Amino acid sequence: AQTVTQSQPEMSVQEAETVTLSCTYDTSENNYYLFWYKQPPSRQMILVIRQEAYKQQNATENRFSVNFQKAAKSFSLKISDSQLGDTAMYFCAFIAANAGGTSYGKLTFGQGTILTVHP
Amino acid sequence: EPEVTQTPSHQVTQMGQEVILRCVPISNHLYFYWYRQILGQKVEFLVSFYNNEISEKSEIFDDQFSVERPDGSNFTLKIRSTKLEDSAMYFCASVAGGRDEQYFGPGTRLTVT
Repeated sequence: AQTVTQSQPEMSVQEAETVTLSCTYDTSENNYYLFWYKQPPSRQMILVIRQEAYKQQNATENRFSVNFQKAAKSFSLKISDSQLGDTAMYFCAFIAANAGGTSYGKLTFGQGTILTVHP
Repeated sequence: EPEVTQTPSHQVTQMGQEVILRCVPISNHLYFYWYRQILGQKVEFLVSFYNNEISEKSEIFDDQFSVERPDGSNFTLKIRSTKLEDSAMYFCASVAGGRDEQYFGPGTRLTVT
């Protein structure tokens, strides 16, 4: 079974600054995907970024990037140039995949980190 | 852009009543999921569905829960006799294939009184 741990219940950052959200996971799977989802007050789940475990290069999406440390089972999210609209709950999530990279299983989520961006 | 839709957005029901939560997945998607999020807590997997049958379910998904794909577009979650602890946000998700990410609907907030 997989577990995902987010050890920071809450974080805050000033607008335009950079913040890093932490996530660790535990699994015996050889291949998997990791995700960060954003949940604003509307409670919609929005995919922020995705990382494939077999890719060494860290994923980036505009102001969002990850630091994926496979050996340490760590997957942190860095938000650069923080904006007020980034205020939300952020969830780290894991899904197992087979050797071919396909995954049909369930997502396992961490407890979430509430991020507040201050003007 | 195609999206997953869910109805209703908010459902209030009395304890012991049956509720049906509805989802319309993205049209070419083949795998469907229900997740639950109790207020302030993490998102938890309930059940996955493929080829008209359940492929995996969690411990939460007991005999009070059932899922159905009654036609080519809808995917429903039924709770037969609701309990107070069923109050939560229920998310539907769908995925086209194994290398794609799951797309989430906006959720249905269920309040059991």
